[in-house]
Amino acid sequence: DADVTQTPRNRITKTGKRIMLECSQTKGHDRMYWYRQDPGLGLRLIYYSFDVKDINKGEISDGYSVSRQAQAKFSLSLESAIPNQTALYFCATSDLQQGVSGELFFGEGSRLTVL
Amino acid sequence: GNSVTQMEGPVTLSEEAFLTINCTYTATGYPSLFWYVQYPGEGLQLLLKATKADDKGSNKGFEATYRKETTSFHLEKGSVQVSDSAVYFCALSADSWGKFQFGAGTQVVVTP
Repeated sequence: DADVTQTPRNRITKTGKRIMLECSQTKGHDRMYWYRQDPGLGLRLIYYSFDVKDINKGEISDGYSVSRQAQAKFSLSLESAIPNQTALYFCATSDLQQGVSGELFFGEGSRLTVL
Repeated sequence: GNSVTQMEGPVTLSEEAFLTINCTYTATGYPSLFWYVQYPGEGLQLLLKATKADDKGSNKGFEATYRKETTSFHLEKGSVQVSDSAVYFCALSADSWGKFQFGAGTQVVVTP
């Protein structure tokens, strides 16, 4: 089983619908992230969380919200989806190594299409 | 702010050719530098990393050297295989908050 699991892997929805993407991890990491990947733009950070009580906005948080339900679970919501939110979404985890953030471990991605 | 610039793709090579993907960065402080690889239909996975100047990261025949004087972290492989076809991302992390900046990605296509 994957260490970082995302559901659903693929979703097609319509403009205005509410969508939730879920992420769970078995790595025991405190830090979790949501990224968005668009062709030619690389990965951009949407939200990140360092523990259950800590939520932080990334560079493109508008139109998104998150919930950290437990150390192992971090969900991304689109309250009212719009077509330019069509993208590939990645959840990732990391931990601190000697005071420095370690590498990111990624899920397999959730491809969202908003019509 | 911090940023990463990498060469645009796609890069198309024949098997056993030499591969170089250029990556330069702008950052305050002393960032850690990474190369991630994304195979078709998969998430990103760490290929190699370097945490201080002059460090060389290596894995699976790939190498990259952290050059502070030129703010670069170019990825090289001496003899590519078809299985190396993927998208490669250069990234940096410059603080303990764990925020990474990624380059736009370079698609590499290796033909038999």
